[in-house]
Amino acid sequence: DSGVTQTPKHLITATGQRVTLRCSPRSGDLSVYWYQQSLDQGLQFLIQYYNGEERAKGNILERFSAQQFPDLHSELNLSSLELGDSALYFCASSPQEGHFSRASYNEQFFGPGTRLTVL
Amino acid sequence: EDQVTQSPEALRLQEGESSSLNCSYTVSGLRGLFWYRQDPGKGPEFLFTLYSAGEEKEKERLKATLTKKESFLHITAPKPEDSATYLCALPMIYNQGGKLIFGQGTELSVKP
Repeated sequence: DSGVTQTPKHLITATGQRVTLRCSPRSGDLSVYWYQQSLDQGLQFLIQYYNGEERAKGNILERFSAQQFPDLHSELNLSSLELGDSALYFCASSPQEGHFSRASYNEQFFGPGTRLTVL
Repeated sequence: EDQVTQSPEALRLQEGESSSLNCSYTVSGLRGLFWYRQDPGKGPEFLFTLYSAGEEKEKERLKATLTKKESFLHITAPKPEDSATYLCALPMIYNQGGKLIFGQGTELSVKP
């Protein structure tokens, strides 16, 4: 158990709908990351929040958005869902903002994931 | 552009048959590498951080090594419970926060 929690475990919805995925980081971690994993794309970085602020962005679609709340939990909102959005969505957390030096290497710990199925 | 390539894509071993998994990368400058293990339908589990060329880390039957251009994950006398997908990841720096770029993974199957 990594200490990162994600809800729900499974989500089945229809095209055009909107869903919210939730993540609680490990105690003490300030950074939260969202990743998407599909069979053909592998594990792809979406976005990072650090202490409530957006810190880094990957190839996240405009239909997707995220935020980190004052208690440090994070939500990923996916709207106008398409069949191709079906994937595993993982949240990870780490103590710091980035990778600055060997002394402060910023390992990420992953949650169990949310499996999204769009029908 | 930074890239991470893992080989082989899949590896089948008999229990006790040692082997190595490869992770090669092209980057503008070496800044370390992470190894993760992922079981089907589960989140990646952190294994190792390697920071500089020549560094080695060990955990049970696994040993990770790092050179300037690639990393190896050596598995000695594997057991069926070592079956999983092994992922390497490159940390981004230069104002990209904590972003990781993952390889496609090596799916390891160990038969009794």
